[in-house]
Amino acid sequence: AQKVTQAQTEISVVEKEDVTLDCVYETRDTTYYLFWYKQPPSGELVFLIRRNSFDEQNEISGRYSWNFQKSTSSFNFTITASQVVDSAVYFCALSEDNQGGKLIFGQGTELSVKP
Amino acid sequence: DTEVTQTPKHLVMGMTNKKSLKCEQHMGHRAMYWYKQKAKKPPELMFVYSYEKLSINESVPSRFSPECPNSSLLNLHLHALQPEDSALYLCASSQASRGSGNTIYFGEGSWLTVV
Repeated sequence: AQKVTQAQTEISVVEKEDVTLDCVYETRDTTYYLFWYKQPPSGELVFLIRRNSFDEQNEISGRYSWNFQKSTSSFNFTITASQVVDSAVYFCALSEDNQGGKLIFGQGTELSVKP
Repeated sequence: DTEVTQTPKHLVMGMTNKKSLKCEQHMGHRAMYWYKQKAKKPPELMFVYSYEKLSINESVPSRFSPECPNSSLLNLHLHALQPEDSALYLCASSQASRGSGNTIYFGEGSWLTVV
């Protein structure tokens, strides 16, 4: 069965610190997709990144970077030099290719960045 | 800014009322979704429409009735709801419901309170 685990419920850092959000997934499919979304208090889920199961290349986008490792079934997200605007709940999610677009979300990690 | 638009942003309704949530996207996507999110929890899938046909119903009670009038619009009709149905309802869309086109984009959500 598919499952996503975000073991960190809450993280609090001071501005300019680096922070890594962990995500571990379980799936029996060979073709699947991993996502990260950001949810500020306003409620909208903001898409950050999608990774295909056959593409383990890590990605960097500005202060954000993602480390995808199939060997450990992990898809971790690092924010470098965090800012107050990064404060939000971050969700990791899994979609299996034969599940018709259904996203399985982790429980989310609430990140608080203090000035 | 999100390209998935939801109305209304906030809705308060009584248990005997009939109301509707509306969602619109102009990205040419052929898959649309309704998710429900309770406080401090991850979103949970309710319905998936693919090419204007209902493809997934996650055993949602019949007091929630989805409708897809055309490829750009998705409604959720609400009738005889219970207070425990109070939640954030998120609409989403993707190019397709599977494969390389399944990056799912969310709207800002509709905050529903049932009194």
